[in-house]
Amino acid sequence: GESVGLHLPTLSVQEGDNSIINCAYSNSASDYFIWYKQESGKGPQFIIDIRSNMDKRQGQRVTVLLNKTVKHLSLQIAATQPGDSAVYFCAEFTGTASKLTFGTGTRLQVTL
Amino acid sequence: DSGVTQTPKHLITATGQRVTLRCSPRSGDLSVYWYQQSLDQGLQFLIQYYNGEERAKGNILERFSAQQFPDLHSELNLSSLELGDSALYFCASSVATGGYSGANVLTFGAGSRLTVL
Repeated sequence: GESVGLHLPTLSVQEGDNSIINCAYSNSASDYFIWYKQESGKGPQFIIDIRSNMDKRQGQRVTVLLNKTVKHLSLQIAATQPGDSAVYFCAEFTGTASKLTFGTGTRLQVTL
Repeated sequence: DSGVTQTPKHLITATGQRVTLRCSPRSGDLSVYWYQQSLDQGLQFLIQYYNGEERAKGNILERFSAQQFPDLHSELNLSSLELGDSALYFCASSVATGGYSGANVLTFGAGSRLTVL
């Protein structure tokens, strides 16, 4: 399940700093927005989700912000660690279509 | 281990051939989804099955087909393979279908890497 080789934008962050990964979505009718993390050799793993009627949700070291006005989603990772190095995908779920549509992804590189 | 099992992990074949990718969903999950991940298009939704029936279709080519069996495992059949079909193919499963909730999170397998030469 490698994502190495994908032509993706890269965010380089120093260990201990906060990371902000952004995503623009297209469908204003989407019901949920989800962030997935894909490490080398694995499939995407669920991190956190947010319902469309919310604008912020916090998890452990992660926060997702939703701005429906500009159709923008962001994932904030506090105190970034080497284990956070991965490709991060945002995804939107539309109930009427009953499917999950993924964004293009961002590669997060954590430097020591 | 996510609980979703995909086989084979790697597959190399020639153009024009046919292959079958297999997926066993997580125990208790009734929905199976197939996604294709290629270099230039990220994760593309192909098709979804729920309890043996097709529920949603994405950008799946006519050369591709899938099914879900009574034991809930699923197979993705890719025929008349072309170079452009080289990609990672992911299977995901979830408990339900038709709506999203915290309980309906998709769990992905590790993928099958297909190389067409």
